Amino acid sequence: DGGITQSPKYLFRKEGQNVTLSCEQNLNHDAMYWYRQDPGQGLRLIYYSQIVNDFQKGDIAEGYSVSREKKESFPLTVTSAQKNPTAFYLCASSLGDDRGRFEDGYTFGSGTRLTVV
Amino acid sequence: QKEVEQNSGPLSVPEGAIASLNCTYSDRGSQSFFWYRQYSGKSPELIMSIYSNGDKEDGRFTAQLNKASQYVSLLIRDSQPSDSATYLCAVNGQAGTALIFGKGTTLSVSS
Repeated sequence: DGGITQSPKYLFRKEGQNVTLSCEQNLNHDAMYWYRQDPGQGLRLIYYSQIVNDFQKGDIAEGYSVSREKKESFPLTVTSAQKNPTAFYLCASSLGDDRGRFEDGYTFGSGTRLTVV
Repeated sequence: QKEVEQNSGPLSVPEGAIASLNCTYSDRGSQSFFWYRQYSGKSPELIMSIYSNGDKEDGRFTAQLNKASQYVSLLIRDSQPSDSATYLCAVNGQAGTALIFGKGTTLSVSS
């Protein structure tokens, strides 16, 4: 079964600690994305990658870092510089867009809920 | 800054009624429009996509797009309690970037 897997489902971070959220897909999608969702809010873009070894900052990249060493994997690190990291983190993948047209939209993972303790 | 606007709701409808959800977007060049359903605590799931002006129907769902008015809507016919969720509108950003999401409209269907 093709899909996108996020782990862990729940993550607790202590003050000053870096944590890494995993995102793996076997859909053969070129593009991958990280979004953050706060209660009552929509999805805000953190980082995206259209191709291996290349990624771009989204609207709220400060305090986060990513890598894209393999097509299947796009891990997100929440660094200690992110002062308010408690949120629901969603990873998504897609075929990418052809001059702005997305075919089939995104496939989302099941999310990681990060809490600062 | 490209924007996607939705009424946050809650939108309350009785079972069997038609629910109408609306979305406006700021970028006149947008080409791809999506509606996602998100149950509480879960990730969004795609329910409709639309690319051309007019209506697109899939079962009880109809998406409507009016590019001149920069407006996209979702109609849910014969609403069921299981339709109670938050509905997110998403629109493509600049080519080679990512989808832009609205904040979502919460729908509540009462039995």
